[in-house]
Parts: sequence; C-alpha cells; structure tokens
Amino acid sequence: GESVGLHLPTLSVQEGDNSIINCAYSNSASDYFIWYKQESGKGPQFIIDIRSNMDKRQGQRVTVLLNKTVKHLSLQIAATQPGDSAVYFCAENRHDYKLSFGAGTTVTVRA
Amino acid sequence: GAVVSQHPSRVICKSGTSVKIECRSLDFQATTMFWYRQFPKQSLMLMATSNEGSKATYEQGVEKDKFLINHASLTLSTLTVTSAHPEDSSFYICSARDSRQGLNTEAFFGQGTRLTVV
Repeated sequence: GESVGLHLPTLSVQEGDNSIINCAYSNSASDYFIWYKQESGKGPQFIIDIRSNMDKRQGQRVTVLLNKTVKHLSLQIAATQPGDSAVYFCAENRHDYKLSFGAGTTVTVRA
Repeated sequence: GAVVSQHPSRVICKSGTSVKIECRSLDFQATTMFWYRQFPKQSLMLMATSNEGSKATYEQGVEKDKFLINHASLTLSTLTVTSAHPEDSSFYICSARDSRQGLNTEAFFGQGTRLTVV
C-alpha cells in the first residue's frame, strides 16, 4: 500500500552541527507534507509544512526540501541544540485528507 | 497557535472497565477530529476519524464496538475504550484541523493519554 517512510531510525548529532532527516513517500499524488517533532510522553508538535508546488521552505532554523521526482522529503535543522532531541515524523496528507505518518527518526544531540 | 487539549494525560484502570478520553479544540472549531494510537518506539497509527454530528469512520482492523467515538460538538470528541484489557494499554492521541482552514492544512495534536490497563 502507499505509505510514508523514513530512511534512518536514529540520528546522533553533535551540538551546533546541522541535522538532516530524510523521508521517502510513495504516493506521487500527495500534495501536502508536514514535519512533526515528538518529545517523550507528548503529542506531536508541528514544525513546518510544504505543498507540492514548492521545492523548499524555510522556517526558524529549519528547512524542508521536497523532491517530487524521487518522492523524497527532508528536514534540515541548523545549529542543532539539546532541545532538538526528539523523534521526528514526516506526515503525508492522504487523498482523503487523513495524515499518514512515517516510522520516525530519533534524533539525539551530543553535548 | 491553535490548541488541542486532551484529558486525562494518564489513566490506570482495571481490566474489564471502560475509560473515556476527551479531546477539545480550545480556540477553533473542528468538524473533524482524528484518533491515533501509538505503541512504544513506533509511529502513530490512525484509528478513526471523528465527524461532528455523524458516525465516526474507522480504519481497517479497528473494532468499532471496542473504541466508541462521539463527536457531539464542534470542539469536543471523546474516545471510550470499552471493556479494557491489558493489550489496550497504549498512548492515545487526538488531532484536529481548523474547519475554517480546510482539510489540506496542518493538524494540531493533543498532548496524548497514557492508558495502562491492569
């Protein structure tokens, strides 16, 4: 079936370095994607979104890139901080407008 | 930003009892809310879509009679886990979209409910 998935389950990054989290999706008709951050014991928190008519979108310290040709999505976090340690999920808006979540990448920031 | 409040955050219940979880949109109206279940170190799995004023729609494999959903107003949806058993122990999360913004927009999530059935 069509789904959203993440390439790597874990990512360890040195504080101050940039982080890149990847996501592959399979539904070429999807036109809206969201990145969420989930801290332990909490609900997902919106980070940034992007529509299929864009290739790149920037927020505060975060950038999302969308490559529709290879159906790939990435989240870049600049100057990673200890507070960025969390699980990151990409989510795809299905044709019925329900969100389908990827497996998640656990980001650990080393001091 | 929009706020979704979920209550309770934690609940422990005895096997065979029922537990109700509330999901409220505090500063916006939501004709549609979503209920997810999340096991440790796993992703969110959509259980059902709650529709205001009508029956909920359930994802394949989710028992309707086990997980009762009521969406009586534009700001409140409830999930009742009936006759709970230890295997129902999980993290339940709700989300909602602002009805005025449309369906192709971000969904806001509650803080989740940790259910433990003993």
